[in-house]
Amino acid sequence: GENVEQHPSTLSVQEGDSAVIKCTYSDSASNYFPWYKQELGKRPQLIIDIRSNVGEKKDQRIAVTLNKTAKHFSLHITETQPEDSAVYFCAASTNYGQNFVFGPGTRLSVLP
Amino acid sequence: EAEVAQSPRYKITEKSQAVAFWCDPISGHATLYWYRQILGQGPELLVQFQDESVVDDSQLPKDRFSAERLKGVDSTLKIQPAELGDSAMYLCASSSITGGPFLSETQYFGPGTRLLVL
Repeated sequence: GENVEQHPSTLSVQEGDSAVIKCTYSDSASNYFPWYKQELGKRPQLIIDIRSNVGEKKDQRIAVTLNKTAKHFSLHITETQPEDSAVYFCAASTNYGQNFVFGPGTRLSVLP
Repeated sequence: EAEVAQSPRYKITEKSQAVAFWCDPISGHATLYWYRQILGQGPELLVQFQDESVVDDSQLPKDRFSAERLKGVDSTLKIQPAELGDSAMYLCASSSITGGPFLSETQYFGPGTRLLVL
């Protein structure tokens, strides 16, 4: 089955700097890759997603890139703010949300 | 904005007791997921429903866990008997298929039920 790895497990950056979180997946059939943000004690919330027919997607300060050949995708956050501090999870799934697997998470701390 | 509802929010039980969690997905969402999230880890899929049918329950410990979605709307996840290792957050999510050349799904999560087994 699908295996999703995520690095780093913790990341600290200064406010205003950029943060990059990387994920790799094993199942070449996966074609949907969302990123979720989970603040302490709260539910995971989708922040951006990308499908396999697209190499890059951007939404304001957040961008995701996908390399299907290498089976990895990355989350990029620019101009980080303290409210970006949270745990970020990547995930991968096949069509119709099958075989949905989450990565282990990255705890991002943005220092003021 | 519509949200996924879950109850109870917190549950404390003793081992060997039975517990049940309820989830009401966003109206019109055909797909419903139950996840278990252990503190410090990512959500782990337990079961996925498409309408009232189970699509994937390969990770569900079927000796003690059961899930149903009888009318294809709300769903119940049951543990009987509960064990100490079941202490975790149980998350429900729902989704509807979005369009485009690749049919794929965005999941919306409920607030979760935090279970503590003593």
